[in-house]
Amino acid sequence: QQQVKQSPQSLIVQKGGISIINCAYENTAFDYFPWYQQFPGKGPALLIAIRPDVSEKKEGRFTISFNKSAKQFSLHIMDSQPGDSATYFCAATINTGTASKLTFGTGTRLQVTL
Amino acid sequence: DGGITQSPKYLFRKEGQNVTLSCEQNLNHDAMYWYRQDPGQGLRLIYYSQIVNDFQKGDIAEGYSVSREKKESFPLTVTSAQKNPTAFYLCASIGSGTRKDTQYFGPGTRLTVL
Repeated sequence: QQQVKQSPQSLIVQKGGISIINCAYENTAFDYFPWYQQFPGKGPALLIAIRPDVSEKKEGRFTISFNKSAKQFSLHIMDSQPGDSATYFCAATINTGTASKLTFGTGTRLQVTL
Repeated sequence: DGGITQSPKYLFRKEGQNVTLSCEQNLNHDAMYWYRQDPGQGLRLIYYSQIVNDFQKGDIAEGYSVSREKKESFPLTVTSAQKNPTAFYLCASIGSGTRKDTQYFGPGTRLTVL
C-alpha cells in the first residue's frame, strides 16, 4: 500500500526554468514532510522539509508548498540548473518520539537541459 | 569526519550464498535503518533499530536479517531466502537531537546476484 504518491516519474526542464514535483499522501497522521535529492550512485540527502503547520517554506531556489486540506505538497525549483539534475524523493513521517519511519514516494528523475 | 559508511560499494553474489553488508556511523545516532532501492519503486524499509540489541521488521524484511550489537554498527545479511536480491541498499541513521525526523544516508551498496 503506497501512502505517498509522487508525480511525474520524470521531468525535463530547460536551464532557468521552474521544476515542479508533486506528492499526495493519505495518512493524516503524518507530521513531517522532507524532500531528498539523490545523485546517481549516491545516497539521498535531505534537501528541504516542512511541517503541516505552515503552507510554504523556502530555502534558496527550493520551495515547498503544502496544502493540508488537499493532503498534497510540492517542490518547486526556481531557476533550474544542470547541477540540479538528480532524482528527487518526497517523503512523509510520523514522529513516534524515539525514531521515525519514513514513507517515500517513488521518485522523480529531473533532467535540466542547457 | 562524521558520517555513515557502507561497504563494500559493489558486491557480487552467487545464487544460494548469504552476504553481509556493512553499515557504520560515527554520528552517535540512536536509530539506524536499512532500505532497498529498485528503479521506479523508491526506497523500501527492510529493518530498523532504535537502540542496541533491538530491531524491528520493516515493510520487506523477508529474506533479510540484521543485528545491532553496537550503537555504531548495523550490518544487514541478505540470505539465500531472498528471491530477488539484486538492488541498491542504503543504510541511514537518525539522531536524538532536535532534528529527530531527519535521516542521514550512507553512500549505498550495489548488490548483484550472478
